[in-house]
Amino acid sequence: DGGITQSPKYLFRKEGQNVTLSCEQNLNHDAMYWYRQDPGQGLRLIYYSQIVNDFQKGDIAEGYSVSREKKESFPLTVTSAQKNPTAFYLCASSISGFTEAFFGQGTRLTVV
Amino acid sequence: EDKVVQSPLSLVVHEGDTVTLNCSYEVTNFRSLLWYKQEKKAPTFLFMLTSSGIEKKSGRLSSILDKKELFSILNITATQTGDSAIYLCAVAFLNRDDKIIFGKGTRLHILP
Repeated sequence: DGGITQSPKYLFRKEGQNVTLSCEQNLNHDAMYWYRQDPGQGLRLIYYSQIVNDFQKGDIAEGYSVSREKKESFPLTVTSAQKNPTAFYLCASSISGFTEAFFGQGTRLTVV
Repeated sequence: EDKVVQSPLSLVVHEGDTVTLNCSYEVTNFRSLLWYKQEKKAPTFLFMLTSSGIEKKSGRLSSILDKKELFSILNITATQTGDSAIYLCAVAFLNRDDKIIFGKGTRLHILP
């Protein structure tokens, strides 16, 4: 089945640790996106990538890093520099030239 | 500054009622407007609108775009408890960055 997979679904980390969220898609989509969702905030764009080995910062990129070494994979690292990392993170992908985005099921990160 | 504004932020109605959700936008290089339904985790795609005045329908849901007045509405008729969700409006851009901006969403709750 084609789709976009995020893992893990729930993640707990201690403050000050870096953590990497996985996002894999087998839809052959060129574009991939990372969003963060907080209550009352809607979805906010962290990073996006249109092609392999290229990515751009979104609206709230500070404290995050990404890589796009393969078309299928777009991992997000939440670094210790992110001041408020506890949130729900959504990964999405789309055919290049954004139209409809397909979303993963999300990862809920809790930093204690 | 590009922005997407949804209203109301929350809405509670009784089963069988008709609801209208609003989305206004102020963006440069508009490409399309998208509606998503978010229940437990990942948003699911509802409609993509690119042309003014053409209504899109899917069952009890319909949506229309007004590019002159820069807004869209999402109508749900004969609401059911299964319609309870967050409804997200998003705008996609024509420029090479191809990023997307979401509104904060409308949280809809249908009472039985």
